[in-house]
Amino acid sequence: DAGVIQSPRHEVTEMGQEVTLRCKPISGHNSLFWYRQTMMRGLELLIYFNNNVPIDDSGMPEDRFSAKMPNASFSTLKIQPSEPRDSAVYFCASSTGGTDTQYFGPGTRLTVL
Amino acid sequence: SQQGEEDPQALSIQEGENATMNCSYKTSINNLQWYRQNSGRGLVHLILIRSNEREKHSGRLRVTLDTSKKSSSLLITASRAADTASYFCATDAEDYKLSFGAGTTVTVRA
Repeated sequence: DAGVIQSPRHEVTEMGQEVTLRCKPISGHNSLFWYRQTMMRGLELLIYFNNNVPIDDSGMPEDRFSAKMPNASFSTLKIQPSEPRDSAVYFCASSTGGTDTQYFGPGTRLTVL
Repeated sequence: SQQGEEDPQALSIQEGENATMNCSYKTSINNLQWYRQNSGRGLVHLILIRSNEREKHSGRLRVTLDTSKKSSSLLITASRAADTASYFCATDAEDYKLSFGAGTTVTVRA
């Protein structure tokens, strides 16, 4: 199995630009998570999908962030407009259930200038 | 707020020594998991211990769980340079998601 796939691995953009991060979960997993990791705040859960339906988006910082999961094999996290404080590593993880073992992707390192 | 809190925040040991880190949590759990994160990589699952288990082993890893004290420990025996990483505990504090601690950064010196 290829594991969780994320793209791009690195993204550098300017403030105000739209950023789209992509994730392909492990086939057969029905739960998908987006996390953000920074030195200051550690690992934060942004949003959780179960069977392609957003269950908990309470961690999404503000309306500039949106996430979709149009099918079981693809999810996006969009930031529009981006701000320097959005600079972080964004991880996607999938599992067979909410509290089961989570499998993390390699992350996308986002830098907003 | 984070359910699990690791202690210490950072640990530096000599290759071959054992490394022990602890995790404390606040509410009842069904299971507790430990993950490792190497620099620049995603988290990797190491071991899961259920609330009715007291100790679990996996290779050079030994995990204990004391539900009365709401704490867990992760012991890495005979450490190697490749064990240099951050280690996180995660609890199923809520029905559908895990709560990760801030992590312990372990440095193994050659």
